[in-house]
Amino acid sequence: ETGVTQSPTHLIKTRGQQVTLRCSSQSGHNTVSWYQQALGQGPQFIFQYYREEENGRGNFPPRFSGLQFPNYSSELNVNALELDDSALYLCASSLGLAGGRGDTQYFGPGTRLTVL
Amino acid sequence: AQSVTQLDSQVPVFEEAPVELRCNYSSSVSVYLFWYVQYPNQGLQLLLKYLSGSTLVKGINGFEAEFNKSQTSFHLRKPSVHISDTAEYFCAVSRTSGDKLIFGTGTRLQVFP
Repeated sequence: ETGVTQSPTHLIKTRGQQVTLRCSSQSGHNTVSWYQQALGQGPQFIFQYYREEENGRGNFPPRFSGLQFPNYSSELNVNALELDDSALYLCASSLGLAGGRGDTQYFGPGTRLTVL
Repeated sequence: AQSVTQLDSQVPVFEEAPVELRCNYSSSVSVYLFWYVQYPNQGLQLLLKYLSGSTLVKGINGFEAEFNKSQTSFHLRKPSVHISDTAEYFCAVSRTSGDKLIFGTGTRLQVFP
């Protein structure tokens, strides 16, 4: 069984640029959630996708957007990067409704984004 | 709305000693509770979860946690820690299964030889 993978592992961008982060879900999972983890903080929920549709969003501006593809892989796009966007971005996949009450989110290793 | 408070930002402990990492939550509805561990430069790994039923939950690596509804707590314990347990530990809640996770700020467990 393949776990959750993310690419790239590290990324350096400058303020104002745009970035795309990628996530490949665990086999059989149709739900993906993205989190931002600033240094020394707990992860903060950005948004969730279920079967290619956005299924909930946290308190992040519209310049944070996402996509989920038919194979349930996902992208996180951030436009007009700001210094405060520097963080570890975590992707988590789960079975969604098929997981029932026991559904659990499984996390990837994350992408470390540095904005200069 | 739900929230999570991890009362200790750092917990230093010697190897083979017991440890307790504290977590309190706030919610007006029933919640699911989780503990995740994050090793340096890695993602989050699920240690254990409480959905319902027995209030004592056993997880991986010898960890266990007890759900206390009256005190709205979900403290994590291990009777004897190892050097390899050195990591950041996060308590989290969700309103429903598969819903967004709301995390605490984390507790850094440092195990000394």
